[in-house]
Amino acid sequence: DGGITQSPKYLFRKEGQNVTLSCEQNLNHDAMYWYRQDPGQGLRLIYYSQIVNDFQKGDIAEGYSVSREKKESFPLTVTSAQKNPTAFYLCASSMGKNTEAFFGQGTRLTVV
Amino acid sequence: KNEVEQSPQNLTAQEGEFITINCSYSVGISALHWLQQHPGGGIVSLFMLSSGKKKHGRLIATINIQEKHSSLHITASHPRDSAVYICAAHSNYQLIWGAGTKLIIKP
Repeated sequence: DGGITQSPKYLFRKEGQNVTLSCEQNLNHDAMYWYRQDPGQGLRLIYYSQIVNDFQKGDIAEGYSVSREKKESFPLTVTSAQKNPTAFYLCASSMGKNTEAFFGQGTRLTVV
Repeated sequence: KNEVEQSPQNLTAQEGEFITINCSYSVGISALHWLQQHPGGGIVSLFMLSSGKKKHGRLIATINIQEKHSSLHITASHPRDSAVYICAAHSNYQLIWGAGTKLIIKP
């Protein structure tokens, strides 16, 4: 079945450690996105990629890094520079501009 | 002021009631998403629409481009409809998200 997979669902890390969240899609979508959701707030865009080997900063990119070496994969690294990393992270993909987006199940990151 | 506003923020209703959730936006858009988020966090796309009305089962979404307003309706609501409903506006490559409406349907 085609879909978008995020792993793991829950992740715990110690403060000061980098951590990488996985996002894989087999929908042959060109565009992929990372969002962050905090309690009671809407989703905010961290990074997006329109095509392989290219990505753009979203509204809250500081403290995060991404790569897009393969069309299927768009991993997000939460670095130690991110001041408040505990949040719910959601990955999405779409064919391109203004097309329907599909979403992963999310990763809940807790930094202790 | 947020570019995408949803109302109400919270809604509790009895099973069987007709539910309306509203979404207003201030940016130029080409389409609008309605999505459902369950307590586990996963998000499911319900509708993407750019004009008129779409229906899927007991769910109906409408959009008025001139008034910059969209509504999501649920007919014959059921406890399993309890979730957060989110509207998101397509603007270029980005989705601009509303804060969500938390819906609780009591049996």
